[in-house]
Amino acid sequence: NAGVTQTPKFQVLKTGQSMTLQCAQDMNHNSMYWYRQDPGMGLRLIYYSASEGTTDKGEVPNGYNVSRLNKREFSLRLESAAPSQTSVYFCASSRVTNEKLFFGSGTQLSVL
Amino acid sequence: AQSVTQLGSHVSVSEGALVLLRCNYSSSVPPYLFWYVQYPNQGLQLLLKYTSAATLVKGINGFEAEFKKSETSFHLTKPSAHMSDAAEYFCAVIRTDKLIFGTGTRLQVFP
Repeated sequence: NAGVTQTPKFQVLKTGQSMTLQCAQDMNHNSMYWYRQDPGMGLRLIYYSASEGTTDKGEVPNGYNVSRLNKREFSLRLESAAPSQTSVYFCASSRVTNEKLFFGSGTQLSVL
Repeated sequence: AQSVTQLGSHVSVSEGALVLLRCNYSSSVPPYLFWYVQYPNQGLQLLLKYTSAATLVKGINGFEAEFKKSETSFHLTKPSAHMSDAAEYFCAVIRTDKLIFGTGTRLQVFP
């Protein structure tokens, strides 16, 4: 029973490089989310997808793009990484938008 | 806009002591409120959720929280701390269909 799977678990980038964080859930959930976690700031919502085919900005969307590839998968792309994007990124999913969220184990990203 | 404030970024208690983690919300309407827990090197897990059905909400692992409208609070408590409770705890609120988290409180439990 995998739940929410994120890849990769760790990544180091140079400033200006691009990369995509992958997320997949096997719970048939409608809603998916990307958060970043920084010390002293809690989790901040980057983008979310209330249902397949829709995406919306969260609190801190600048510098990121997302794709809801299908109901299972929701990817986060950094087109030109910046040191300010060094963070731990969490993907989450829920049956509907105000229900319990299930989280992946996170991706630790460092941008040098 | 709805938000939550967690008072105290770090709380330390002795094993067996009362745990009290504070959360205040700002909302003009009754909110949906949550407590999540994050153990080291893991994602977050739901502890409990308030949806206006009852003011005292019981969660997993012996935790509970009481919604107090007069104080705009939703504090998390546990009567007797266990070493395994050491983690970071986040209060959260639904705002325009998005789950918004507080800044977190790290709980340390000493033997």
